[in-house]
Amino acid sequence: EDKVVQSPLSLVVHEGDTVTLNCSYEVTNFRSLLWYKQEKKAPTFLFMLTSSGIEKKSGRLSSILDKKELSSILNITATQTGDSAIYLCAVDLNNDMRFGAGTRLTVKP
Amino acid sequence: SAVISQKPSRDICQRGTSLTIQCQVDSQVTMMFWYRQQPGQSLTLIATANQGSEATYESGFVIDKFPISRPNLTFSTLTVSNMSPEDSSIYLCSERTSGIGGEQFFGPGTRLTVL
Repeated sequence: EDKVVQSPLSLVVHEGDTVTLNCSYEVTNFRSLLWYKQEKKAPTFLFMLTSSGIEKKSGRLSSILDKKELSSILNITATQTGDSAIYLCAVDLNNDMRFGAGTRLTVKP
Repeated sequence: SAVISQKPSRDICQRGTSLTIQCQVDSQVTMMFWYRQQPGQSLTLIATANQGSEATYESGFVIDKFPISRPNLTFSTLTVSNMSPEDSSIYLCSERTSGIGGEQFFGPGTRLTVL
């Protein structure tokens, strides 16, 4: 059975801290791994990773995929209260997307 | 990415009734999907909606309960039929403009509460 596991499930930090969110997967037919940020209802797209070792970066957020370890990390540096959200990892299995349970990040002032 | 809109954004419904959620995309998209997110849980795929063919449902979801239409490449509807409180969820429409292997984007969601 295809599985996507995120850790930690929740995390509380203070502004300015750096956080690392983890996503591991056990799937067949891996195509890519995607990260989303979910604040209210709809997840907003952050990154899509298809190749190992190539970091994708957007401002204070960055992510990298390790296909050998079947995992990915999402880093957020100099966190701000606006980063508080649920961060979802999803694995694209050809015509299907399997989501992890998410990491709820709370950034305190 | 395409701009995706959903209607209604939220609704409160009575048990036993049905609600149809509309999803409109501002450009033609190959693949459209419907997801459900129950309170405190992650997203679960209900079905893939392909234009011109029957929707493909995931295990645990059936057409009688969640009929889907996809009349063209920019529009889809999901109906939640004979609702019960367990159907209270956020329902999300999603698309992949570039097809299989492309990035996937979500609509703003419909928050459904069934009393």
